[in-house]
Amino acid sequence: GEDVEQSLFLSVREGDSSVINCTYTDSSSTYLYWYKQEPGAGLQLLTYIFSNMDMKQDQRLTVLLNKKDKHLSLRIADTQTGDSAIYFCAGEYIFGTGTRLKVLA
Amino acid sequence: DTEVTQTPKHLVMGMTNKKSLKCEQHMGHRAMYWYKQKAKKPPELMFVYSYEKLSINESVPSRFSPECPNSSLLNLHLHALQPEDSALYLCASSPTPGTAPTGYTFGSGTRLTIV
Repeated sequence: GEDVEQSLFLSVREGDSSVINCTYTDSSSTYLYWYKQEPGAGLQLLTYIFSNMDMKQDQRLTVLLNKKDKHLSLRIADTQTGDSAIYFCAGEYIFGTGTRLKVLA
Repeated sequence: DTEVTQTPKHLVMGMTNKKSLKCEQHMGHRAMYWYKQKAKKPPELMFVYSYEKLSINESVPSRFSPECPNSSLLNLHLHALQPEDSALYLCASSPTPGTAPTGYTFGSGTRLTIV
């Protein structure tokens, strides 16, 4: 089956940039997504990238896609304490293992 | 209305009980999904309904029985569950099946505990 892997944990200081990485094995998904999940809640779509794009910028969020290496990343600029959550990359139907982002004040 | 509503938010049931989880959306979405999420794990796909018909069943045990009575409603009927079925059950919807720029809209989930 498809594997979508992320690093488990990332800790950054408020105001710094955060970079969350994702590697996948199946490249058939037309769109790739980043979702945010806060404790006890459902998942919230943050942004997406079309599979034939390399980069997409959406306010504080920058998504980079390297199709050759099957690598997706999410950069959050000027990270705030409200950004503390679990972040999942996702393709069609499948989610990555999730990265817990902790923002230190 | 841009939400997916799930009820109940919490459910505790015994292994011999029968209960149902409900999910509702009024966004005109024609694909609806059930996911199971264990603690500190990603959501795992259980079922996909496309235009009110079951299109994907990810080899889910028959003690979970999905139902889509109409394009706005999705139910998950539970019977004779096991303790390992305790999890957060998430419902999601999308305008069409598969991938699209809109991604999925998720409900806040039902926290299910089997005792």
